[in-house]
Amino acid sequence: GIQVEQSPPDLILQEGANSTLRCNFSDSVNNLQWFHQNPWGQLINLFYIPSGTKQNGRLSATTVATERYSLLYISSSQTTDSGVYFCAVGGGSQGNLIFGKGTKLSVKP
Amino acid sequence: ETGVTQTPRHLVMGMTNKKSLKCEQHLGHNAMYWYKQSAKKPLELMFVYNFKEQTENNSVPSRFSPECPNSSHLFLHLHTLQPEDSALYLCASSQELGIGGNTIYFGEGSWLTVV
Repeated sequence: GIQVEQSPPDLILQEGANSTLRCNFSDSVNNLQWFHQNPWGQLINLFYIPSGTKQNGRLSATTVATERYSLLYISSSQTTDSGVYFCAVGGGSQGNLIFGKGTKLSVKP
Repeated sequence: ETGVTQTPRHLVMGMTNKKSLKCEQHLGHNAMYWYKQSAKKPLELMFVYNFKEQTENNSVPSRFSPECPNSSHLFLHLHTLQPEDSALYLCASSQELGIGGNTIYFGEGSWLTVV
């Protein structure tokens, strides 16, 4: 099956700093999503981005499908950005979204 | 608010108890999913339902029994669980089965502790 690797596993930032999170995947995909899991457990969709670039406020994401990686950019980080960021990919017709292990982000005031 | 509601949010049960987790989606989606998230492990897909029919059972032990009475509701019946089953159980839905092209939406999760 498809392997998904996220880096770094942990990241500590000072409020206001910028960061880049990376997701590498081992095979062609037709679905890639980024999620933010808050401290209470809820997973919130950030981007659906199997290819190309999207921006939403301080967040943006780029997926280079041919090179099998995706990047999530967080600019001017805030304490509310803390949590775990997951990349998930899907490669077939089945309903099986494969998740990476996540990047745990802590933003300090 | 993602349009997917799970109850209860927290559940503590003994190993001999029988309990159920409930999920309801208000998005008009046709596919629903149960995921399990244990400490220090990636999210694991447990079950997939499409138009009320189970399409995937990811080798889940029989002490977990799903039920999908209609496209909007999904249950996970729990009986004779083990302490290692303690985890966050997440329900999700998407417009169609076949993840390509579909955004998946998650509920807030049910934190389960087995004592």
